[in-house]
Amino acid sequence: DIQMTQSPSSLSASVGDRVTITCRASQSISSYLNWYQQKPGKAPKLLIYVAISLQSGVPSRFSGSGSGTDFTLTISSLQPEDFATYYCQQSYITPYTFGQGTKLEMK
Amino acid sequence: QVTLKESGPVLVKPTETLTLTCTVSGFSLTNPRMGVSWIRQPPGKALEWLAHIFSNDEKSYSTSLKSRLTISKDTSKSQVILTMTNMDPVDTATYYCARIERPGGVFINWFDPWGQGTLVTVSS
Repeated sequence: DIQMTQSPSSLSASVGDRVTITCRASQSISSYLNWYQQKPGKAPKLLIYVAISLQSGVPSRFSGSGSGTDFTLTISSLQPEDFATYYCQQSYITPYTFGQGTKLEMK
Repeated sequence: QVTLKESGPVLVKPTETLTLTCTVSGFSLTNPRMGVSWIRQPPGKALEWLAHIFSNDEKSYSTSLKSRLTISKDTSKSQVILTMTNMDPVDTATYYCARIERPGGVFINWFDPWGQGTLVTVSS
């Protein structure tokens, strides 16, 4: 199985900050990487697919980059509603696997 | 509007079999570009993909749980069913179903949207 490792596991930031979350795959997955946002008690929501494509309705302050084994999710200017947990997920091969999550907390 | 809703027992006993149903609306289980996955999340922990099924009956399972899982669909009822045998307290989790969109090629796919999830507790 492909292992997905996110860093950091948690992050404290303030409104207006630029934030970057990293996801590393244990083998190359080309660009087949998705990002999700999950708020407490809610289902995850798709943010970015195929590494760089913004899902419809997602604010443009979210962006994704990377290919091969290393990927990043960037929030250009944190808003209050962005404090949540973020997961990466590889769609290259089954079994699909998720990262362990990055919890973004308010400083 | 695409929606998915999970249903099933909230409490199961150890060794019992869990049966969960995902009822979908707003898309068809016969659409070749869409499927349904089950994903679970133990309390306070990360997401874990369990299985998926597509319109052509293509199925795939988690490596570690493959021997315990069966996924099937009832197209006429717009339902996808997941069974998990020999339940254990470590299987306590919120179980989600999600639509898989696969618009071009096997590798290009994502989960969107997700159901609200259903919490299943395994306890005697």
